[in-house]
This record gives sequence, C-alpha cells and structure tokens, in this order.
Amino acid sequence: EPEVTQTPSHQVTQMGQEVILRCVPISNHLYFYWYRQILGQKVEFLVSFYNNEISEKSEIFDDQFSVERPDGSNFTLKIRSTKLEDSAMYFCASSFDQFGAFFGQGTRLTVV
Amino acid sequence: EDQVTQSPEALRLQEGESSSLNCSYTVSGLRGLFWYRQDPGKGPEFLFTLYSAGEEKEKERLKATLTKKESFLHITAPKPEDSATYLCAVQDQGNTGKLIFGQGTTLQVKP
Repeated sequence: EPEVTQTPSHQVTQMGQEVILRCVPISNHLYFYWYRQILGQKVEFLVSFYNNEISEKSEIFDDQFSVERPDGSNFTLKIRSTKLEDSAMYFCASSFDQFGAFFGQGTRLTVV
Repeated sequence: EDQVTQSPEALRLQEGESSSLNCSYTVSGLRGLFWYRQDPGKGPEFLFTLYSAGEEKEKERLKATLTKKESFLHITAPKPEDSATYLCAVQDQGNTGKLIFGQGTTLQVKP
C-alpha cells in the first residue's frame, strides 16, 4: 500500500540552528502539506503546496519556514534559526485531488 | 472561522462495551469531514470521509455518521486494539486542502 515516508523520525537540534525535514509523498499525488502537533495539542495546518507554489499558509508559517520540492519525489520543510517552541511532531501529508490527505509517520523535532 | 470540537476528551470502555464519540463543527461550507485514528507517536491514519448530512460509512467495528452540525463515530463491541486517539477534521469549500482538526478523543479499551 502506498504511503508517505518521512525522515528522520527524530531530530534533535540546537536552538538557532537550521533543520530540514524530508518527506516522500505518495507517488501520484499532486498536493502536499505540512502539519505540526505540539505535545498534547491539536494537529495544526502549516502550509499547502501545489504545482511548485505555496497555495496557502497559516499564521504559524512565518519567514523562518520554507518548503521546497527539489525533485520529482521529495518535499521538504526547512526551519531556519529554530526556537524552543518549534519542538513538535511535524507531519507531511499528500493528496491526489486536494481532498483529504494521507499522513506520514512524522518527524519528532526537539530543539534544545 | 472554522472550528472543530470533539467530546469526550477521553473515554474508557470495557471490551465489548459500545459507545460513541462526538465531533461538532462550524464551517462556512463543508466540503468534507474526515475521521482519523492516531496511535501514540504516529501520524494520523485515515478512516472515513463523509461529504453530506445523512451519510454513513462503516469499517469493521466503526461507523461514522454526519449531520449538518456534528458527526459521530460509533464503536460497536470494541477490542483492546481499538485503543487510540480518534481525530475529526473538516475541510471547507474553496480552500486549498487545509484540514482543521479537533483535539481528539483518546479511547482506552480494557480487556
């Protein structure tokens, strides 16, 4: 069964450092998303991406965040100058038709 | 503003004891309502999509229903392996695929 793959599963970084979270969406999907979940809180939308452009972004997705689809299979989330409050689970998701989404297993980001 | 509220926050059942989880939503125009299952430390796993009031979907011991203001996830004769957090999410018309999630109901089924 096709699935969304995320790497790494756990990332520990020093405050102020840059991190890149990587995702391989389901191969025939066209719409890509990043969500995050702070421990004990709701899953929150960060950004949607289609046709090599950001379609929508939330207030959380400020200038320290960026997304890229560097090739035909990968989708990345870059966080510049990480803060303690960026510690969370980050989920990549994809969909074929901009309706619903299938999620990866997440990357746990710990900023120390 | 789109909003999703789930109740109860936590639910403990004995194996075989049926119950229902509630998801109340406010959305400008509903495109779809989604139920996901989330195990600890894992990503949300898709269960159901509901499109319009009156619709029902079933999968094994789970049945999801939808009205104009809320959705229910009915669990019939649950087993310990049904223990998880169940998430409800809505998508409104005209947006870019963004899902708005509720805070989830954590279900524990004891043998």
